[in-house]
Amino acid sequence: AQSVAQPEDQVKVAEGNPLTVKCTYSVSGNPYLFWYVQYPNRGLQFLLKYITGDNLVKGSYGFEAEFNKSQTSFHLKKPSALVSDSALYFCAVRDKVDSSYKLIFGSGTRLLVRP
Amino acid sequence: GAVVSQHPSRVICKSGTSVKIECRSLDFQATTMFWYRQFPKQSLMLMATSNEGSKATYEQGVEKDKFLINHASLTLSTLTVTSAHPEDSSFYICSARKEAAYGSNQPQHFGDGTRLSIL
Repeated sequence: AQSVAQPEDQVKVAEGNPLTVKCTYSVSGNPYLFWYVQYPNRGLQFLLKYITGDNLVKGSYGFEAEFNKSQTSFHLKKPSALVSDSALYFCAVRDKVDSSYKLIFGSGTRLLVRP
Repeated sequence: GAVVSQHPSRVICKSGTSVKIECRSLDFQATTMFWYRQFPKQSLMLMATSNEGSKATYEQGVEKDKFLINHASLTLSTLTVTSAHPEDSSFYICSARKEAAYGSNQPQHFGDGTRLSIL
């Protein structure tokens, strides 16, 4: 079965500094990877996805993620953090069960950006 | 865009009542919708996959008779929590995926969730 792991429960950075939220994956076959963000009492918002192609994927709100096959990682990055980026971030992998697909989520990482 | 509307956003009700939550894809058709449950400070737990015109596929450990799912059209799925009890209190989130006709490998789009509180 496919899975993703987010090793950090929380990441703290100062506004203006670069941020990284880590994700590693375990899949059989080619990975389909996603990042979502969740603000308090809200659903998840799609940030970006990696299916194939360039290892550096650009997404919404200035976020990007780097796919690294040798390290089985898909870390989320942003060059300059904003206080408004503070939220809960989920990495996810698509799993195929029978003839249907579903997302398997990591445990989530809370990002706190200090002013 | 790809907007998923979930209603209501918050429900408070007495133990023993049934609660219906609606999930609508507003600007796209969704053959498949998903229902998740999220406990405080935890990740999303997939409860079931809802397919338009057929029975939902439930994850292991999820009671089918407790959580009734109906997906009658390509834009609407409902989750009914029957005879709700305090332990059913949680944050429920629906998600919809565009049909493959929109292009392959479409991401899932999520509603804003429903916070259910059973007294």
